[in-house]
Amino acid sequence: GQQVMQIPQYQHVQEGEDFTTYCNSSTTLSNIQWYKQRPGGHPVFLIQLVKSGEVKKQKRLTFQFGEAKKNSSLHITATQTTDVGTYFCAGSGNRDDKIIFGKGTRLHILP
Amino acid sequence: DAGVIQSPRHEVTEMGQEVTLRCKPISGHNSLFWYRQTMMRGLELLIYFNNNVPIDDSGMPEDRFSAKMPNASFSTLKIQPSEPRDSAVYFCASGVSNYGYTFGSGTRLTVV
Repeated sequence: GQQVMQIPQYQHVQEGEDFTTYCNSSTTLSNIQWYKQRPGGHPVFLIQLVKSGEVKKQKRLTFQFGEAKKNSSLHITATQTTDVGTYFCAGSGNRDDKIIFGKGTRLHILP
Repeated sequence: DAGVIQSPRHEVTEMGQEVTLRCKPISGHNSLFWYRQTMMRGLELLIYFNNNVPIDDSGMPEDRFSAKMPNASFSTLKIQPSEPRDSAVYFCASGVSNYGYTFGSGTRLTVV
């Protein structure tokens, strides 16, 4: 079945440093979504990428979708304490609305 | 818009008891998902509905779990009988076909 792998599992960075998390799917995806979950909270939708090679930006966050539509990345420039949380990618195949989540990358910011 | 509403927020029950979790999706959303989250297994998709019809329940762990969506504004996830290994946070999420799902605040279930 469809699997979505995400690395790294944990990341500690100094405030102001950059951060990147990577997502890989075992199958070609119709789209990829990114979510953020704060400690004790629920996942919150950030963005969806649909097109091969697509790049989208939200302030300090840059999202990329691979040419083969099997991988994606989220890059945060100059991290801030408000970026703390777990970032999930979630992939959807071509057949249905089901989205499969990666295990997430937990970002911890060192002051 | 009140978002996706789940109840209860917390549930503590004894092993063997029946547990019912409730979800009210956002009006107009045609897809509804139930997820379970644990530290060990992450976010697991249990079942999802499209237009109130169960489409894929392959993630339901076993026959003790059942889910219903009698109408567009309500869904339940039932565990009977509950076991300690069912302890987790259960999320309901809704959306419009395959675009950015909205999660509820979750139900933290503890089975003792």
